[in-house]
Amino acid sequence: ILNVEQSPQSLHVQEGDSTNFTCSFPSSNFYALHWYRWETAKSPEALFVMTLNGDEKKKGRISATLNTKEGYSYLYIKGSQPEDSATYLCARNTGNQFYFGTGTSLTVIP
Amino acid sequence: NAGVTQTPKFQVLKTGQSMTLQCAQDMNHEYMSWYRQDPGMGLRLIHYSVGAGITDQGEVPNGYNVSRSTTEDFPLRLLSAAPSQTSVYFCASSPITGGSNYGYTFGSGTRLTVV
Repeated sequence: ILNVEQSPQSLHVQEGDSTNFTCSFPSSNFYALHWYRWETAKSPEALFVMTLNGDEKKKGRISATLNTKEGYSYLYIKGSQPEDSATYLCARNTGNQFYFGTGTSLTVIP
Repeated sequence: NAGVTQTPKFQVLKTGQSMTLQCAQDMNHEYMSWYRQDPGMGLRLIHYSVGAGITDQGEVPNGYNVSRSTTEDFPLRLLSAAPSQTSVYFCASSPITGGSNYGYTFGSGTRLTVV
C-alpha cells in the first residue's frame, strides 16, 4: 500500500491558537517525507524534507516530527496567524516517485 | 526569475485534440516530473525524468507522452484529449534524482479543460 493519508481534511482555528495535523504513510521502503505549504492560486512550496527516524525540523512557528518506524509525521503550528491559512501537503518519497496526501486545509480566523 | 515555468496557464481543448504543455527550469535540476491535481485527490504523478534522455511512467501515465531532450525542458503531450484529462497540471523539479534531500520546486500550474 502506497497511500499517504492526512488528517484532518480541514481545520478552522482562531488566530493565536496552536494546532497540529498528521501524515500517515507505509513505513516500508522509506526514503524521505516532505511537507509542502500550498496557498490558494499559488504553487506548493517546500517546508521540510525529513529523512531520519526521530527527525525534528523547525521554520519559525512551524515544526515537524518524523517517526519512520510507525509511519507518521506531525506538523505543528504555534500561535496560528491568518497568513498561515493554506493547504498543507505531505509526500512520501519511495526513490524516484512521490506519493502525495490530499492535504489538510487550514483556515485561521482573525 | 529563476524557477519552473509552465505554459500555458489556461487551455480549453475539444475532445480528440492534441496539445503540449510546456515546462522549463533554469536551475540545472536533474529531476523533473508532471503531476495532475483533481478534486478530492492528492497530486498524482504522470511521468518523471531523472535526466536528459531518460523518462519513466508514474501512477497515471495513460494518454500522456513526455520527452527530455535537454536538462531544462520537459514537455507533456496529450495525444488525443479526453474529458477525463480535465485537471490542473503541475510540473515540478528537484536538484537530484527523487529529490530525497531536496524539496520540489513547482511551476504555477496549467488549468486544462477538455470539452
